[in-house]
Amino acid sequence: DADVTQTPRNRITKTGKRIMLECSQTKGHDRMYWYRQDPGLGLQLIYYSFDVKDINKGEISDGYSVSRQAQAKFSLSLESAIPNQTALYFCATSSGLAGGEQFFGPGTRLTVL
Amino acid sequence: AQSVTQPDIHITVSEGASLELRCNYSYGATPYLFWYVQSPGQGLQLLLKYFSGDTLVQGIKGFEAEFKRSQSSFNLRKPSVHWSDAAEYFCAVGAGQAGTALIFGKGTTLSVSS
Repeated sequence: DADVTQTPRNRITKTGKRIMLECSQTKGHDRMYWYRQDPGLGLQLIYYSFDVKDINKGEISDGYSVSRQAQAKFSLSLESAIPNQTALYFCATSSGLAGGEQFFGPGTRLTVL
Repeated sequence: AQSVTQPDIHITVSEGASLELRCNYSYGATPYLFWYVQSPGQGLQLLLKYFSGDTLVQGIKGFEAEFKRSQSSFNLRKPSVHWSDAAEYFCAVGAGQAGTALIFGKGTTLSVSS
């Protein structure tokens, strides 16, 4: 079974709708992250969480919110989706050790019409 | 502010030829540096990382990278490319607390010709 799972894997929605993307991990890591990937722009950090009570904004947090429901779960919400939020979204986890790698989920492809 | 530059958007290499992908970073302290690979339709997989010690690091799939502080570079190399290496490659620098929030470059797409 995958260590980092994301649901849904694909989602098409309309402008103005509220959308939640979910991420779960079985690696026992404290740290979790949400990135978005746009062609030619690489990955940009949206939010990250170092533990259940710690949430931090990343490079591009406007228009997004997150919830860390438990150590293993980290959800990303778009309160009112807009077309320029069409992108591939990745969740990642890390142990928090210095230099520790991040482990990525398979991604959620979101299309906002 | 931390940043990562990958100067080459797209590179084509013949199968069996050597490969070098460039990465330059901007960071105020000793950086944590990573190379990730993304195959089509897949998530990201770590190839290798540097955060201290030997400046030449070995990774999976026959890749290596060399950290050069004087040039602020962390270039990825492979002596002989296989068709299965065709993918997108991302260099990243670790920022924030203990360097675990990653700042990514925009990526280099590698095509392999036969």
